[in-house]
Formats: sequence, structure tokens, C-alpha cells
Amino acid sequence: GQQLNQSPQSMFIQEGEDVSMNCTSSSIFNTWLWYKQDPGEGPVLLIALYKAGELTSNGRLTAQFGTTRKDSFLNISASIPSDVGIYFCAGQNENTNAGKSTFGDGTTLTVKP
Amino acid sequence: EAQVTQNPRYLITVTGKKLTVTCSQNMNHEYMSWYRQDPGLGLRQIYYSMNVEVTDKGDVPEGYKVSRKEKRNFPLILESPSPNQTSLYFCASSLHKQGRGYTFGSGTRLTVV
Repeated sequence: GQQLNQSPQSMFIQEGEDVSMNCTSSSIFNTWLWYKQDPGEGPVLLIALYKAGELTSNGRLTAQFGTTRKDSFLNISASIPSDVGIYFCAGQNENTNAGKSTFGDGTTLTVKP
Repeated sequence: EAQVTQNPRYLITVTGKKLTVTCSQNMNHEYMSWYRQDPGLGLRQIYYSMNVEVTDKGDVPEGYKVSRKEKRNFPLILESPSPNQTSLYFCASSLHKQGRGYTFGSGTRLTVV
């Protein structure tokens, strides 16, 4: 099946620092999604990307759909303690696997005050 | 409130005893899906459904069954649970097949002893 490699696996940063994480795929997606999971809860959608090259922001979060359609990036600026959690990328390709979302393994973010 | 409701939140059972985890959504979503989350393995799709009476296997369907008799409900059935099915399970639903992302339930933590 499709594989998503998400990196880094974990990050330990100081409050106020910027964060970058990325996701690469062995195959093409036509939608990239980024989710955040707080402890004890289900993932919540942060940003959705629909076109190669697209750059989308949601507050301090910015995500980009890679031009090859095989990768995506998420940046968090000026991190705060409530940014702690697990961040997942997910890819969808309705042309080949309608209904399937493939998830990365997640990046666990720890923010030290 | 728009939501995906899973029950139960926690379940401890014994090997071989059939169980059902219920999932219901009140958003009139066509797409529904079940995922399991295990440490280091991210979210893996078990089954998904694109509409009533339409279901398909995800990446890890072995040992699970689903049904979609009504649009709002998508139960997960473990006919003969085994310890390797101990995991955190999430149900999710989506309005469109592409790009709108899933709304997740709060999860069901299952332990099979």
C-alpha cells in the first residue's frame, strides 16, 4: 500500500521557537491534510491542501503542498505550550483509492515553557 | 453539536468474546472510516465506507468486520478478539470523498486479555 514517511518523529523545543515538519510519499496524492491530536482525543483537522504548490495558513500554522505532489510541509511559528501534541499528515487520492486516507506515523511535539 | 460518537470509551475483554464498538455521526456524512492507533505505527485504516451498504477494506482489515445499514452508523465488530487487537480505535466521518478531511470521534481504548 501507499507509504507516508513523516519526520521528525519527535521534537523538543523551547516556547517561542519555530517548528518545521514534513511528510513524503512513495506515490502521488491529490489532497494533503494536516491534523493535530491532543492527549486523550481524536485528531482534529488543521489544514487541507488541494493543489500542487499551494501554500495555506491557519493562524500560526502554514502548510504547503509540494510541487511533486509527493510531499507536504507544516510550519508552526512562535510555538506556545498548547501546541503540544501529535501532528499527523494524511494523503488522499480519489483517483486510485476513493475513501482512503493514508496517515503518517506522526510527529510528537513537546514545548518547554 | 456536530460530532462523531463512539461507544464505549474504554473496554477490557477476554480473548474470543465477540464485541461491537458503535459509531454514530450526526452530520449526514457519506464517508465513514475506522482506524486503529498503535505506538510508533500512527493511524492505520481498518475499513471504510463510501455510503450505505458500500464498505471496503483498509490497510489492516484482518479480524474485523463492519456494516453500514444506515448512513449515520458504522459499527466495528470483532468476532473473536485477540490480544494483538489491543489498541486505540477511532471512528471518523467525512462529507466529501476528497479533501474535506475526517471528523474523528474521541476514541475507544480496547484491551484484550
